[in-house]
Amino acid sequence: AQTVTQSQPEMSVQEAETVTLSCTYDTSESNYYLFWYKQPPSRQMILVIRQEAYKQQNATENRFSVNFQKAAKSFSLKISDSQLGDTAMYFCAFMNLASGTYKYIFGTGTRLKVLA
Amino acid sequence: DTGVSQNPRHKITKRGQNVTFRCDPISEHNRLYWYRQTLGQGPEFLTYFQNEAQLEKSRLLSDRFSAERPKGSFSTLEIQRTEQGDSAMYLCASSPAGGGQPQHFGDGTRLSIL
Repeated sequence: AQTVTQSQPEMSVQEAETVTLSCTYDTSESNYYLFWYKQPPSRQMILVIRQEAYKQQNATENRFSVNFQKAAKSFSLKISDSQLGDTAMYFCAFMNLASGTYKYIFGTGTRLKVLA
Repeated sequence: DTGVSQNPRHKITKRGQNVTFRCDPISEHNRLYWYRQTLGQGPEFLTYFQNEAQLEKSRLLSDRFSAERPKGSFSTLEIQRTEQGDSAMYLCASSPAGGGQPQHFGDGTRLSIL
């Protein structure tokens, strides 16, 4: 069975600074995707970034980038130039491509607060 | 792309009552998922539909829970004889065919059991 661990329940960062959220996972599978989702207060989950396990190059989307360490089973999210609108819960999710259903296994989340 | 729509947004009911939630996925998405999210936790998978076929159900989905997706369009999740432990946010997500496709989530239905 796969598990996803987010060890930082809460974090805060000053506006315009950089913050890194950690995520580790456990799997014996080799073909999978990893995702970061953002859930603002009382709003829907929004995809931030995704990474295919077979790609060595780390994914980047504007101010968001990941540090994917496959051997260490680590998938951290870096947010550069933090903005007040980045305040949200952030969830790391694992998708096993061998499952056929492509369901997500989520971590428990990190609550990020960006301070003005 | 009008997004995934869920109704109602909030549902308050007494213990023992039946409740039904509706999810309208993005129209061209053939995959539909239901998750449950309790306070301080990440969403947990409940069930999965590919078109109208329910292909996987979690052990979290007791006999009191049933889900349908007639004609492969909208989906309903029904909880019979609700219990206090059913209080949670119920999230629906949809995605197009193909591995690695990200899921698009609705706003969720928050269920509160009195």
